[in-house]
Amino acid sequence: GENVEQHPSTLSVQEGDSAVIKCTYSDSASNYFPWYKQELGKRPQLIIDIRSNVGEKKDQRIAVTLNKTAKHFSLHITETQPEDSAVYFCAASREGTASKLTFGTGTRLQVTL
Amino acid sequence: DVKVTQSSRYLVKRTGEKVFLECVQDMDHENMFWYRQDPGLGLRLIYFSYDVKMKEKGDIPEGYSVSREKKERFSLILESASTNQTSMYLCASSFRGLYGYTFGSGTRLTVV
Repeated sequence: GENVEQHPSTLSVQEGDSAVIKCTYSDSASNYFPWYKQELGKRPQLIIDIRSNVGEKKDQRIAVTLNKTAKHFSLHITETQPEDSAVYFCAASREGTASKLTFGTGTRLQVTL
Repeated sequence: DVKVTQSSRYLVKRTGEKVFLECVQDMDHENMFWYRQDPGLGLRLIYFSYDVKMKEKGDIPEGYSVSREKKERFSLILESASTNQTSMYLCASSFRGLYGYTFGSGTRLTVV
């Protein structure tokens, strides 16, 4: 089955700096890669996703890049703000029954003033 | 505009009890999932369902079962609760195909 590794487990940045979270996956057939943000005490929410026919996708201060050859993808947050503080999860899936997601172990991002 | 509803936010049960966790979605999603979330382990898939009465095991199904009698409802059953099932349980749903999930708010279950 799919295995997704995520690094780092914790990340502290100063407000205004950039943050990068990296994930690798094992199943070369995976072709959908979403990112979720989970604020303290709340449900995970989808913030951006990318499909294997695209190398990069951007949405305001958030961008995701995908390298299918190396089987890794990354989340980039620019001009970080205190409200970006949360746990971020990457995930991967492939076409199939229910196209179930395999999640990474999460990155706790702390944006300090 | 809550679209995935989990019946309980917090539950405390005794070892050996049969426990039911309920999840209802109103988005007409075909797929429904149960994950458990533990610190340092991320979200691990317990069971999923891609249609009414259809279910498949995820990565950690031992000690759990599920029921999907209606499209909008997916129940997780702990046959005989044990302390190692103390965890946050998250229900999610999605359309068929490669789409992101909508999660419920979670049920924090403590087994004593």
